[in-house]
Amino acid sequence: KNEVEQSPQNLTAQEGEFITINCSYSVGISALHWLQQHPGGGIVSLFMLSSGKKKHGRLIATINIQEKHSSLHITASHPRDSAVYICAIPLNYGGSQGNLIFGKGTKLSVKP
Amino acid sequence: EAQVTQNPRYLITVTGKKLTVTCSQNMNHEYMSWYRQDPGLGLRQIYYSMNVEVTDKGDVPEGYKVSRKEKRNFPLILESPSPNQTSLYFCASSFRDRASYNSPLHFGNGTRLTVT
Repeated sequence: KNEVEQSPQNLTAQEGEFITINCSYSVGISALHWLQQHPGGGIVSLFMLSSGKKKHGRLIATINIQEKHSSLHITASHPRDSAVYICAIPLNYGGSQGNLIFGKGTKLSVKP
Repeated sequence: EAQVTQNPRYLITVTGKKLTVTCSQNMNHEYMSWYRQDPGLGLRQIYYSMNVEVTDKGDVPEGYKVSRKEKRNFPLILESPSPNQTSLYFCASSFRDRASYNSPLHFGNGTRLTVT
C-alpha cells in the first residue's frame, strides 16, 4: 500500500515558470516534511509544516490536514531548482513519531 | 559546522563480510535514523533511535543491526551482507522535543554500498 503519493513523477519546466508538486497521504499526521535531493545525491530539508503555509525564498509549502494534502510551489523557477523533491510523513506508532515514510519523489528539470 | 557525517562514502564488499557504516552528528540531536534508497522504491527507513539506548525498527530492518550507545553516534551494521543490500544509504538526525516530536531532518552525504 502507498500511504504517501506524489504527483507528478516527472516534471519538465521552462525557466521562470510557476511549479506545483503535490503530496497526498492516507493517515492522520502531525507534520509533513518536504525534502530536496540534488543531482549529486545529497538531501536537504526544505520545510517541515503542520498547518497553513510556509515560505522560504521562492519556495512555498502548504498543507491541508483535513484533506490530507500538501503542495510545494516554486515561483520563477530556475535551472538550479532541478532536483528530486520528496515528501515524508511520520507514522505515529505508540506515540513515537520516529517512523517516517516517504513519497517516491518528483523529478523536476528546469530548462533555461 | 553543524553536520551529519557518514563514512565511508563508497564501499564495495563481498557477500557475507561484516561491515559497519558510521554516522555521527554534532548537533546534540536526540533522533537519528537510517534509510536506504533504491531506484523505483524511493527512501525507506531501516532503523531509528529516539535517544540513547532506544532503537526501533523501520520498514526494512531485516539484515541490519544498529546501536545507540552515545548520543552522537548511530552505526549501521550489516553482519552478513547480501547483494540485495546493494543500495544508497543515508543517515539523518533531528531534535525531538516533547511538544511536537518533529523537527527538520539533517542528512548525511550518503554511502553507496555495493555487495558482490
